[in-house]
Amino acid sequence: GAVVSQHPSRVICKSGTSVKIECRSLDFQATTMFWYRQFPKQSLMLMATSNEGSKATYEQGVEKDKFLINHASLTLSTLTVTSAHPEDSSFYICSAPRQGGGYGYTFGSGTRLTVV
Amino acid sequence: GNSVTQMEGPVTLSEEAFLTINCTYTATGYPSLFWYVQYPGEGLQLLLKATKADDKGSNKGFEATYRKETTSFHLEKGSVQVSDSAVYFCALSEGGGGSNYKLTFGKGTLLTVNP
Repeated sequence: GAVVSQHPSRVICKSGTSVKIECRSLDFQATTMFWYRQFPKQSLMLMATSNEGSKATYEQGVEKDKFLINHASLTLSTLTVTSAHPEDSSFYICSAPRQGGGYGYTFGSGTRLTVV
Repeated sequence: GNSVTQMEGPVTLSEEAFLTINCTYTATGYPSLFWYVQYPGEGLQLLLKATKADDKGSNKGFEATYRKETTSFHLEKGSVQVSDSAVYFCALSEGGGGSNYKLTFGKGTLLTVNP
C-alpha cells in the first residue's frame, strides 16, 4: 500500500517550452506532497511543499513562477516547469507522508527531465 | 543548517562481501536518521531508521547505529547479494522525524554487487 505514481519517468523538451510532472497517490490521500530535485552527483534538494487546497511553500532560492505547483485534489499534485532551459535539466522526485504520520514517506519513482 | 555527507560511489563488490557506506551529519538539534534505498526504476524506500543516540536501526541484514559523539550513521551489511544493487541515501529529519518534517539527504551512493 501507500503508492505514489509519478509520470512521466523521462521527458525531453525544447528550450522555452513547459513540462508538467504528475504525482498521484493511488491508495491513500496525500494532503501534503514534497517536491525534490537532484542534479548529477548531488543530494536531493527540497524545492517546495504543497498542501491540498492551498498555495505551495517554496524553499529559498526556488522560483515559484518558474516551478508551478498545483495540489488541487487529495490524490494529485503537479509540478510544471515553465519556459524550461537546459539548466533545468535534472531529476525530479515527489514524496508524500503516509497515513498515520510517524516516519513513513512514500516516494515517486522520479522524472528525468532533459531540456535541449 | 543541516547537512548530510556520505561516501561517494560508485561502490562495486562481489557477492557475500562486507559492505560499509559511511554517513556523517551536521544538525543544530537532535535529528532522526534514516537510510533510504532506491532500486532501479523505483521510488525511494525507507530501509532503516534511528531516532536517538545509540539506537541501532536494522532491516534486511543492513544495520546502522546512531553515533552522536562522531555524528555518524554508517550503513553496514555482513554479506551483500546481487539484489542489494541500488542507490543508498542517508538522510536526517529534525523535529522527531514526523511525516511533515523535511528530509535532508546525502548525495546517494550507487552500490553494484557482482555475482
